[in-house]
Amino acid sequence: GENVEQHPSTLSVQEGDSAVIKCTYSDSASNYFPWYKQELGKRPQLIIDIRSNVGEKKDQRIAVTLNKTAKHFSLHITETQPEDSAVYFCAASSGNTDKLIFGTGTRLQVFP
Amino acid sequence: ETGVTQTPRHLVMGMTNKKSLKCEQHLGHNAMYWYKQSAKKPLELMFVYSLEERVENNSVPSRFSPECPNSSHLFLHLHTLQPEDSALYLCASSTPGTDTQYFGPGTRLTVL
Repeated sequence: GENVEQHPSTLSVQEGDSAVIKCTYSDSASNYFPWYKQELGKRPQLIIDIRSNVGEKKDQRIAVTLNKTAKHFSLHITETQPEDSAVYFCAASSGNTDKLIFGTGTRLQVFP
Repeated sequence: ETGVTQTPRHLVMGMTNKKSLKCEQHLGHNAMYWYKQSAKKPLELMFVYSLEERVENNSVPSRFSPECPNSSHLFLHLHTLQPEDSALYLCASSTPGTDTQYFGPGTRLTVL
């Protein structure tokens, strides 16, 4: 069935370093790939998304890259700050439905 | 932050109780979703409603019963739950065809 794999499950970085989280998807019909950030006790919040007609998208310190051929996409956070500490989820749209298939999440810790 | 609201935020219930979770969206969306979020598991899609019609029931046990009386409101009726049903239940909404889902703050459910 449809599947999204996400790695790593935990990631610890020093403040100022970069962080990269990678996801792979199985449904070749997926065309929308959002990333959500969930702080402890809060709702998942959309931080950036990319559609299949674009290879890269950037928003300040956050960027997402997409490789459709390899069916993988990545989140890049540069100049990390302690407030970036959270769980990050990737997702892929499911064909022509309104569903999103989520990855298992990455717990990012940024140490000052 | 107030686009999608959920009540109650916390709920403790016994296995023989009947309770309902409520979700309301003020974003003009016409698709709504229920997700279950357990520790160390990906977000599990439970139900999808599009234009007030249920379009997805992801093999959810019948002790969970959704209701969507209009495009702004979504309920999840609970009865005879099990302790393993304890989790964070998240509601989300979107406009069909745009894929982007916005989440509510969730209801933290504990079944004793």
